[in-house]
Amino acid sequence: QLQLQESGPGLVKASETLSLTCTVSGGSTSSSSYFWGWIRQPPGKGLEWIGSIYYSGSTYYNPSLKSRVTVSVDTSKNQFSLKLSSVTAADTAVYYCARLFGVSRPIDYWGQGTLVTVSS
Amino acid sequence: QSVLTQPPSVSAAPGQKLTISCSGSSSNIGNNYVSWYQQLPGTAPKLLIYENNKRPSGIPDRFSGSKSGTSATLGITGLQTGDEADYYCGTWDSSLSAGVFGGGTKLTVL
Repeated sequence: QLQLQESGPGLVKASETLSLTCTVSGGSTSSSSYFWGWIRQPPGKGLEWIGSIYYSGSTYYNPSLKSRVTVSVDTSKNQFSLKLSSVTAADTAVYYCARLFGVSRPIDYWGQGTLVTVSS
Repeated sequence: QSVLTQPPSVSAAPGQKLTISCSGSSSNIGNNYVSWYQQLPGTAPKLLIYENNKRPSGIPDRFSGSKSGTSATLGITGLQTGDEADYYCGTWDSSLSAGVFGGGTKLTVL
């Protein structure tokens, strides 16, 4: 059974860089069948797609976040990561890592989510 | 402002059936497959429907999906109190080269 686990600081200061890592178990980030991605959900609000990466390193980003986002994969560690720079209070959210598949990228596995709060 | 449009809330009585709509455009729903997710309070979303109308293993056939043009619909029959959750539609947007979601619909089983 595939499992995804987010890790990283739960508190980030405004203007700094948010960094999260997702560790994959029960599956491989080097599989050519899947993409790996990040989705966030501000408290009490809906889902926002952040970005995704293919094992080859090809990345796809939400245009509204593209200038601040980097998603990377480390197949040797079976992990992928998110970096979001210049954070503000608006970036406070639960961040989910996920596995995506197919041409329209449905998400079949989600991490449990981790709350990241941006403090001033 | 979400790229896909869903009603904020829907409600129905136990045992009844209802539908949740999701409206988009030619760059997303019109030319890509639609997925639906259920998010129970305090939990991560769960995939209910993918490729417009396919159910992952373990999802009961009370849940169904359809698509027509630039709109999609999630149907739920035999409503149960355990179905109370937020439901999201999602797809790929070919113009944005990114995934997009609807704003979510809160389902209340009266």
